[in-house]
Amino acid sequence: GQQLNQSPQSMFIQEGEDVSMNCTSSSIFNTWLWYKQDPGEGPVLLIALYKAGELTSNGRLTAQFGITRKDSFLNISASIPSDVGIYFCAGQLLSSGSRLTFGEGTQLTVNP
Amino acid sequence: ETGVTQTPRHLVMGMTNKKSLKCEQHLGHNAMYWYKQSAKKPLELMFVYSLEERVENNSVPSRFSPECPNSSHLFLHLHTLQPEDSALYLCASSLAGDYTDTQYFGPGTRLTVL
Repeated sequence: GQQLNQSPQSMFIQEGEDVSMNCTSSSIFNTWLWYKQDPGEGPVLLIALYKAGELTSNGRLTAQFGITRKDSFLNISASIPSDVGIYFCAGQLLSSGSRLTFGEGTQLTVNP
Repeated sequence: ETGVTQTPRHLVMGMTNKKSLKCEQHLGHNAMYWYKQSAKKPLELMFVYSLEERVENNSVPSRFSPECPNSSHLFLHLHTLQPEDSALYLCASSLAGDYTDTQYFGPGTRLTVL
């Protein structure tokens, strides 16, 4: 089955720093999604990308759908303590209906 | 608050117990999902229901039995589980079962099997 390689697995940064994480796959995806999961909660959708090359922002977050459709990245600018959590990428294939393939997650720690 | 609630939030059970997890969505969605989230592993899709009909069973052992009595409620019945089944079980819903539909997740049930 499809696999997503998400990196880095964890990041420790200072408040105010910018953050970048990415996902790559050997498969071509039609949709890329980025979720954030806070401790004790379920994942919450941050950004959805539907077209190759698409660059979308949501506040301090920016994500891009790679031109090859095999990768995506998420940037967080000027990080704040509440950015702490696990960030997941997920991809969807047109042929797989609603099935999401998830990356393993990036654990982000922001030091004040 | 995503509009998807799950109960209980925490559950500890023995291997011989029978328990059920409940999920309810207040979003008017027609598709519901069960996922398993284990430490250091990607979320694993277990079951998909669309319009109360099971459309996917992702090779899940029979000790997990889903039930979808209507489009707003989803259950996961558990019996004779194993310690390796300990995980966070997440429910999600989407408007339909289409790949463009956003899936909204509940907070999960943290299950521990002794």
